[in-house]
Amino acid sequence: DIVMTQSPDSLTVSLGERATINCKSSQSVLFSSNNHNYLAWYQQKPGQPPKLLIYWASTRESGVPDRFSGIGSGTDFTLTINGLQAEDVAVYYCQQYLGTPFTFGPGTKVEIK
Amino acid sequence: QVHLQESGPGLVKPSETLSLTCSVSGGSLIDYYWSWIRQPPGRGLECIGYISYSGATNYNPSLRSRVTMSVDRSKNQISLRLSAVTAADTAVYFCAREALRSFDRGGSPFNVWGQGTLVAVSS
Repeated sequence: DIVMTQSPDSLTVSLGERATINCKSSQSVLFSSNNHNYLAWYQQKPGQPPKLLIYWASTRESGVPDRFSGIGSGTDFTLTINGLQAEDVAVYYCQQYLGTPFTFGPGTKVEIK
Repeated sequence: QVHLQESGPGLVKPSETLSLTCSVSGGSLIDYYWSWIRQPPGRGLECIGYISYSGATNYNPSLRSRVTMSVDRSKNQISLRLSAVTAADTAVYFCAREALRSFDRGGSPFNVWGQGTLVAVSS
């Protein structure tokens, strides 16, 4: 299995400031034949299913605010929330969908300072 | 807009079989891959496996011996059966749809999710 790790486990950020979450995969999730990184980011609020934010490591899902951005390639990825809003309080997960079983990181909890 | 709704017993006895159904409305099963994902209370997400419209399956090796997924095209439903459950199988179970696969390799992100249903395993 491709093991996904995330750092930090939790993050406390002031409103309007930047939150940065890191994700690392145990194997590259870049498929060289199509030059795509099979990496997605999700946001999960309490009592709700995860919501897709970013896919192919850096493509924002339709309707997702542009304060959310993703970057990275191979085994190292970052989700950045620029200008944290109160509604961004959630747990964020990275997920690889290159190799089966598809696997998620353990999550990063983002809270407001 | 596609809507997924999980249903099934909220309580299952140890050693018995957990059975869940995901009803798909507002869209077709055709051309998509459908997954079951679970989340133990307060913990992370685990992919149980997926099934295609045609019935091809791919199960997580950690659960493969106990999992069966099926598709009912006439009812626009997918189903999950997990046998010989233990307390470790207590979780919220989600069904989810991948975005259309663009390439022959790998999958796609999950862009549609059901609300999830909590299944507790207890005597």
